[in-house]
Amino acid sequence: GENVEQHPSTLSVQEGDSAVIKCTYSDSASNYFPWYKQELGKRPQLIIDIRSNVGEKKDQRIAVTLNKTAKHFSLHITETQPEDSAVYFCAATLNTGNQFYFGTGTSLTVIP
Amino acid sequence: DTGVSQDPRHKITKRGQNVTFRCDPISEHNRLYWYRQTLGQGPEFLTYFQNEAQLEKSRLLSDRFSAERPKGSFSTLEIQRTEQGDSAMYLCASSIQANYGYTFGSGTRLTVV
Repeated sequence: GENVEQHPSTLSVQEGDSAVIKCTYSDSASNYFPWYKQELGKRPQLIIDIRSNVGEKKDQRIAVTLNKTAKHFSLHITETQPEDSAVYFCAATLNTGNQFYFGTGTSLTVIP
Repeated sequence: DTGVSQDPRHKITKRGQNVTFRCDPISEHNRLYWYRQTLGQGPEFLTYFQNEAQLEKSRLLSDRFSAERPKGSFSTLEIQRTEQGDSAMYLCASSIQANYGYTFGSGTRLTVV
């Protein structure tokens, strides 16, 4: 099956700085890559996703890039705010979409 | 219908007891998933339904675990003879089609004492 690795496990940034979280995947057949934000005690929420036919996608302060050749994808958050503090999970899925393979999460702390 | 609902939110049970959790997905979503999440880890896939058919099960789903979705609407996950290692957050999610982001429920936190 697919194996998703995520780095770093923890990340602290000053408010206003950028944050980058990186994930790698093992199965070249994976074609959909969502990112989830999970605040303490709450459900994971989809924040952005990218498909394998696209190299980059942006939504306001959040962007995701995908390098299919290297089999890695990254989440970029610009102008970070304290409310961005949460655990972020990347995931990958094969074209059947029957299950997502999640990374182990990155705990992001934005320091005011 | 404001999202995916799970019940109960918390469950404390003694080792060896059976527990059952319920998930009500978004009504127009025919795909329903169960995941388990332990502290500091990402969600791990347990099983997937398309309508009432259980199409995929993880090896994590031992014979003590069973899931149903009898009418293609709500789903139940039962754990028999619970063990302390079953303590985790059990998340349900639904989606309208393959390769679309899930909507997760708030989860059921199980503690086995």
